Amino acid sequence: NAGVTQTPKFQVLKTGQSMTLQCAQDMNHNSMYWYRQDPGMGLRLIYYSASEGTTDKGEVPNGYNVSRLNKREFSLRLESAAPSQTSVYFCASKGTGGEKLFFGSGTQLSVL
Amino acid sequence: GNSVTQMEGPVTLSEEAFLTINCTYTATGYPSLFWYVQYPGEGLQLLLKATKADDKGSNKGFEATYRKETTSFHLEKGSVQVSDSAVYFCALSVNNRKLIWGLGTSLAVNP
Repeated sequence: NAGVTQTPKFQVLKTGQSMTLQCAQDMNHNSMYWYRQDPGMGLRLIYYSASEGTTDKGEVPNGYNVSRLNKREFSLRLESAAPSQTSVYFCASKGTGGEKLFFGSGTQLSVL
Repeated sequence: GNSVTQMEGPVTLSEEAFLTINCTYTATGYPSLFWYVQYPGEGLQLLLKATKADDKGSNKGFEATYRKETTSFHLEKGSVQVSDSAVYFCALSVNNRKLIWGLGTSLAVNP
């Protein structure tokens, strides 16, 4: 079982460049999430999607956009990357009525 | 509001030592409580959970008891191994809404 798959695993950007982080899950989960993880800050929610066709802001949405392309896929876009967006990004999913989050293996992003 | 506070790390132990990582919470309503573990270079995975007061979650030799009177959910293991080296996150959710996370505690176990 693949679970939650994120691509790419590593990325280096220059300030002002754009990119999209891809996430797909094969567990038929309704809810999907994007987090960023920074030293000393724990996990912070960027955006989430409770179901196909809906998206909502989390704690730190500024500078990001998301698309819930279909039930499987939830992408995160940085339109104009900034050094403050250097972080490790995790996608996660959860089934309806379930409490357990399933995480991808992360994307390490550096913005120079 | 809802929040989770866990002890700061890093925690460094020798193999076979006893582990406690403290976690306390504030919540409106009746939260479910979780411990997630993140091994180096990987995403988080659920370690154990408890959904009501006095429940004990357990997995892989780890245990945590939901203590409503002290609003705590401390993680314990009697004898740690090198392979337990990881970052441990305490978290809660109320009414199956978004998880509220602690900041994580890094554990290093030396042989």
